[in-house]
Amino acid sequence: EDQVTQSPEALRLQEGESSSLNCSYTVSGLRGLFWYRQDPGKGPEFLFTLYSAGEEKEKERLKATLTKKESFLHITAPKPEDSATYLCAVQAVIQGAQKLVFGQGTRLTINP
Amino acid sequence: DAGVTQSPTHLIKTRGQQVTLRCSPKSGHDTVSWYQQALGQGPQFIFQYYEEEERQRGNFPDRFSGHQFPNYSSELNVNALLLGDSALYLCASSLGAGGRYEQYFGPGTRLTVT
Repeated sequence: EDQVTQSPEALRLQEGESSSLNCSYTVSGLRGLFWYRQDPGKGPEFLFTLYSAGEEKEKERLKATLTKKESFLHITAPKPEDSATYLCAVQAVIQGAQKLVFGQGTRLTINP
Repeated sequence: DAGVTQSPTHLIKTRGQQVTLRCSPKSGHDTVSWYQQALGQGPQFIFQYYEEEERQRGNFPDRFSGHQFPNYSSELNVNALLLGDSALYLCASSLGAGGRYEQYFGPGTRLTVT
C-alpha cells in the first residue's frame, strides 16, 4: 500500500536557523512527489514537483530534493512568514486515474 | 486567472442530515479530485471526476457521492452525516486524469456536524 511519512511532526526554529524536513515514501512506481504549504484553515498551496531521484527544485528560501526512498525540504535562513504546515504527497496512478497520497505534515514555527 | 473556488466556506449540519459542497476548477482544468482533511492530519483522497465520470475512489463509504458537470465543476454529496464527517473538505483541479501534473487546491469547506 502507498504510504508517506513525514518527520518531524512539529519543528520550532529561530529566525535565520536553517533546517530540513523529511518525507519518506513507499509507492509502487513513483510518478511524482509534491510539496505543499498549508496555512491554518486554508487549502494547500503548491510548492514543488519532483519526478526522479537526484532532482532538485528551489524557490526563495526553500529547496526540495528527491532520492529513491525520501525527499527533503531544506529551509535556509527562515523568516516568521515561513511558519506553516508543510505537506508531502506522492502521485499514484491507478487504472488511469491519479490520486495524491499525503503525509500527515510537518508543522513549522519560526520565532522572530 | 481564477483559481479553484469552493462554496460554501463554512457549514454546520446536524447528524443524519445531508450536505452538498461545490467546486469550480481552475481555468483550463478538466479534472476534479475531492479530499477530506481532519484536524492535524494530511488530506485523504475521496474520489476523482474526469469527463463527468468517477474515475477513482478512496476508502470512503457510499454515503459519499459526487457529480461533475459539463463545465467541469463538481459537487460532493454526503448523506446520513456522522459526527466523524466533521472536517475540511478540499477540492483540487488538474488537467487530465493521468500523467505528470500538479493538483491545485481550493480554500476548502469547513463542515461541522453536531
